[in-house]
Amino acid sequence: DSGVTQTPKHLITATGQRVTLRCSPRSGDLSVYWYQQSLDQGLQFLIQYYNGEERAKGNILERFSAQQFPDLHSELNLSSLELGDSALYFCASSVEAGGLATDTQYFGPGTRLTVL
Amino acid sequence: DQQVKQNSPSLSVQEGRISILNCDYTNSMFDYFLWYKKYPAEGPTFLISISSIKDKNEDGRFTVFLNKSAKHLSLHIVPSQPGDSAVYFCAASPAGNSKLTFGKGITLSVRP
Repeated sequence: DSGVTQTPKHLITATGQRVTLRCSPRSGDLSVYWYQQSLDQGLQFLIQYYNGEERAKGNILERFSAQQFPDLHSELNLSSLELGDSALYFCASSVEAGGLATDTQYFGPGTRLTVL
Repeated sequence: DQQVKQNSPSLSVQEGRISILNCDYTNSMFDYFLWYKKYPAEGPTFLISISSIKDKNEDGRFTVFLNKSAKHLSLHIVPSQPGDSAVYFCAASPAGNSKLTFGKGITLSVRP
């Protein structure tokens, strides 16, 4: 158990809908990262938050957005869903902002999103 | 453009023997390299890392080797155990940057 929790575990929805994925980081971790893993891809970095502020952006679509709340939990919002958005979405957390490359990221169990 | 490549999708090894998992990268800005292990229905678990100032890092049965000139790293598991059967991801990040770029992973099967 990494200490990172994600809810829900599974989510099935229809095209055009909007969903929210939730992540609680490990106790004491200030950074939260979101990744997407599609069937034929490795993990793709989406976005990072540190202590409530966006710190880095990766291959995140404009239809997707995220935020980190004062209690440090984070939500990833996916809207106007398409079939191709079906994937595993992982959240990870680490202690620091990422200024140190040695900052290890700890991953949650993921949310499996299926868009029908 | 895949900057971190794990060209072999799978590897099967006999229990007790050595497992060698390979990873190549193209981005010369990568400064820090990690291996993660992933079991089904779980998130990736950090295994071992290496900084570009080193060429080897060892932790128990796991050793990571880095060849910067070849832009190649490998993970050695000795001796391999059935519990090591999982998907292994290679990841890399530039200096001072937490953004990890992952390979597609390699499925290791250790036969009893």
